[in-house]
Parts: sequence; C-alpha cells; structure tokens
Amino acid sequence: DVKVTQSSRYLVKRTGEKVFLECVQDMDHENMFWYRQDPGLGLRLIYFSYDVKMKEKGDIPEGYSVSREKKERFSLILESASTNQTSMYLCASSLELAGDTQYFGPGTRLTVL
Amino acid sequence: GESVGLHLPTLSVQEGDNSIINCAYSNSASDYFIWYKQESGKGPQFIIDIRSNMDKRQGQRVTVLLNKTVKHLSLQIAATQPGDSAVYFCAENSGGSNYKLTFGKGTLLTVNP
Repeated sequence: DVKVTQSSRYLVKRTGEKVFLECVQDMDHENMFWYRQDPGLGLRLIYFSYDVKMKEKGDIPEGYSVSREKKERFSLILESASTNQTSMYLCASSLELAGDTQYFGPGTRLTVL
Repeated sequence: GESVGLHLPTLSVQEGDNSIINCAYSNSASDYFIWYKQESGKGPQFIIDIRSNMDKRQGQRVTVLLNKTVKHLSLQIAATQPGDSAVYFCAENSGGSNYKLTFGKGTLLTVNP
C-alpha cells in the first residue's frame, strides 16, 4: 500500500512566521503535490514536483515555496505566514504525472493567528 | 452531484441500503476518473478509478459507472454501512501533457443506523 505521511496533523503559527510542512512517501513515486483544501473551494494545487529538485507552480503558488532534495520528501514552505493561509494542507504522490491516481497524506490543519 | 457555494450536496441513507453518488465532469477530453472518500479531519482516500475505454468497473462493494455521452460519473455503494459516512468526490484528468487532476467539490454521505 502507498503510504504518504505528513509531519504534523495540527499546527498553530503566528502571522509572519516561517512555516515548514513536510511530506514523505514510501512508494518511490516520481511525482509529489501540495494542495490546500478550503470549504466551498475544494482542492487547489499549490505546487508539484516531477523529479528531485524539479518543481512547477500550480494554481495558487503565491506566498508559498517548495523544496524537493530527495525523491521521497517534498516540503512546503510559507515564507511569512498570513491569516489567509489558514487551511487544510494535503500532500499527494503519484507514479505517473498524468492519468494516474494521486495518493494523499492525512493532511495538516494549519491555523495562522 | 456537484456542490455550489459553501454547502455540499448531501445524501442520507439507511444502513444496508445502496447509495448512488453522482458527479458531472467538465472536460470532454478527460479520459481518467477517480473517486475519493474523505472522512472528517482526514486526507482523501482512493476508492476506485476508471478509464474512458470502460463504462463500468467494480470493486469491493463499490461500482463506478461512466457515461461519456453526458459527461457523468456515478459511484454506487452496496449495503451501505455507518463507516461509509464521509464526503465523496470525483476527480478527472485528460492525460497527455495535462498533469492536473480536476476535483469536484463532493457529496456528503450520511448513513443512519
């Protein structure tokens, strides 16, 4: 079974703090994704990575950056957290980039005060 | 069906009944579809997928039907159990150079004991 883990289930940060969200997958998947999920807006893609050190912007990259130094690990960074970044953050991975299932982690509920 | 605004469509069934959850997808070029289940506070969980060269696929207690003519996808759950209570949403992908999964906003299924 695919296993995607995220470093924290719940996180509370203050405005202006730098925040790191970590994601690890154990299935040797090439592709990893970061989404945020908000009521009424569904899942929105922030960034994805199709290889080590490679990244592409998704639909809402503003205010975020990512890092993929190792194949199994994909980090989402909030350079200066703001209250509108309070959300559920979901990491996913897939073997193929297109036409393939994305497997999700348990999510991190981030609250920015 | 698809949600509008903040409120998800809901389906309430009795334990033991069959459930049918519907999804209207948007892109006629989509050729890969996935159903996810998301329990409260958790990440989406893969249930079943189907490609456009099929119109029906069965899993354990679940069946996905695809009608490409009207761009409609449905998930049937047999003998619904309380543990099936969750938000269910579909995702579509048109493959090729399009890496993105487009997610529906979901339907809330409530199973009454």
